[in-house]
Amino acid sequence: NAGVTQTPKFQVLKTGQSMTLQCAQDMNHEYMSWYRQDPGMGLRLIHYSVGAGITDQGEVPNGYNVSRSTTEDFPLRLLSAAPSQTSVYFCASSSLAGYNEQFFGPGTRLTVL
Amino acid sequence: QQQVKQSPQSLIVQKGGISIINCAYENTAFDYFPWYQQFPGKGPALLIAIRPDVSEKKEGRFTISFNKSAKQFSLHIMDSQPGDSATYFCAASIYQGGSEKLVFGKGTKLTVNP
Repeated sequence: NAGVTQTPKFQVLKTGQSMTLQCAQDMNHEYMSWYRQDPGMGLRLIHYSVGAGITDQGEVPNGYNVSRSTTEDFPLRLLSAAPSQTSVYFCASSSLAGYNEQFFGPGTRLTVL
Repeated sequence: QQQVKQSPQSLIVQKGGISIINCAYENTAFDYFPWYQQFPGKGPALLIAIRPDVSEKKEGRFTISFNKSAKQFSLHIMDSQPGDSATYFCAASIYQGGSEKLVFGKGTKLTVNP
């Protein structure tokens, strides 16, 4: 199993550009989520999904869109990048059964100039 | 009400020493308390977790102590090693909107000197 994979690993954008961060998992997990990690701020939940076709907002959803068309994939879209979105982004997945361990991907480091 | 407060922000320990990281929460609806370990350039990975009906859980050199009445929990790393140098996040899980959601502390950067 590859676990949770994320692409790209690094990305530099100019203000106003759009892009999609890709996330895929091969563990057949129902739950997938996106976090951003900023220095001294911990991990903050952006959006999450409990299954294909179902998404919801987390703590910091503004400026981000998500969709979930398959169990495996959960892309995160930045429609008009802003410098405040400079961060490290982590995708995670888990089973919905019981107290679920969240498996994290390796992260995408995004810089918005 | 969904905050998890973690301290210290950074910690330096000598090899062989005990590392202690503390977390506190307010929301009594939290029902699962995991600790994640993150090495530079990597994603966080589950280290150890505890449920509120247990006061202590030990796995090798890592122990969680849980005080339900004080709404506090802590991670103890015995015989700390340079390989333990990482950032540690406490978290608390709450069931909302059909799933368990994690709320993370802000992290503790642990450095273990040889």
